[in-house]
Amino acid sequence: DTGVSQDPRHKITKRGQNVTFRCDPISEHNRLYWYRQTLGQGPEFLTYFQNEAQLEKSRLLSDRFSAERPKGSFSTLEIQRTEQGDSAMYLCASIDGLAGRPGANVLTFGAGSRLTVL
Amino acid sequence: AQSVAQPEDQVNVAEGNPLTVKCTYSVSGNPYLFWYVQYPNRGLQFLLKYITGDNLVKGSYGFEAEFNKSQTSFHLKKPSALVSDSALYFCAVRSYNTDKLIFGTGTRLQVFP
Repeated sequence: DTGVSQDPRHKITKRGQNVTFRCDPISEHNRLYWYRQTLGQGPEFLTYFQNEAQLEKSRLLSDRFSAERPKGSFSTLEIQRTEQGDSAMYLCASIDGLAGRPGANVLTFGAGSRLTVL
Repeated sequence: AQSVAQPEDQVNVAEGNPLTVKCTYSVSGNPYLFWYVQYPNRGLQFLLKYITGDNLVKGSYGFEAEFNKSQTSFHLKKPSALVSDSALYFCAVRSYNTDKLIFGTGTRLQVFP
């Protein structure tokens, strides 16, 4: 297992365009999280899934943001009509949500997808 | 609501000296506490966690942290700093009854040769 994979690593787009990021979690992990990190700040929670169910979404998240995990494996995060304020690093993380298993409670992060909106 | 405070934006220390990176938290109920490290253009790497048990927890690369319930703190420590420890360090917390991990704003550790 190569860990959490994110694609693309970098995306430059023009304001108003749509972008989509993909995350492939560690295969046996049933929970998947999306965070956003801007320069000089800590990661900010966006949303998370248990299997294919989206269990929580941040109230700070605009309606332009949507995330899916259709088969409980990979996930996509789409941003519609991008704005310059969306420029950030988008981090995906996964966790083995079953209590008592090795690695339980520990989020494993991908390298992130950096978005620049011009 | 859960929150984490890292009062220092940057910590400077000479190589070979002990280091401390401070973290305080606020959470209802018993906290789950974590430290992560981030190198440039990389994702976050897990260092150590406190869930229950001994207040002093040991983690990767010689780091340790002490859980202090009365002071609601979870400071990261290392007896002898290395230049290669220079990175961005994040403290994080979640309550035992939620699945959402909340991060602090981070502390940049600079170790000088």
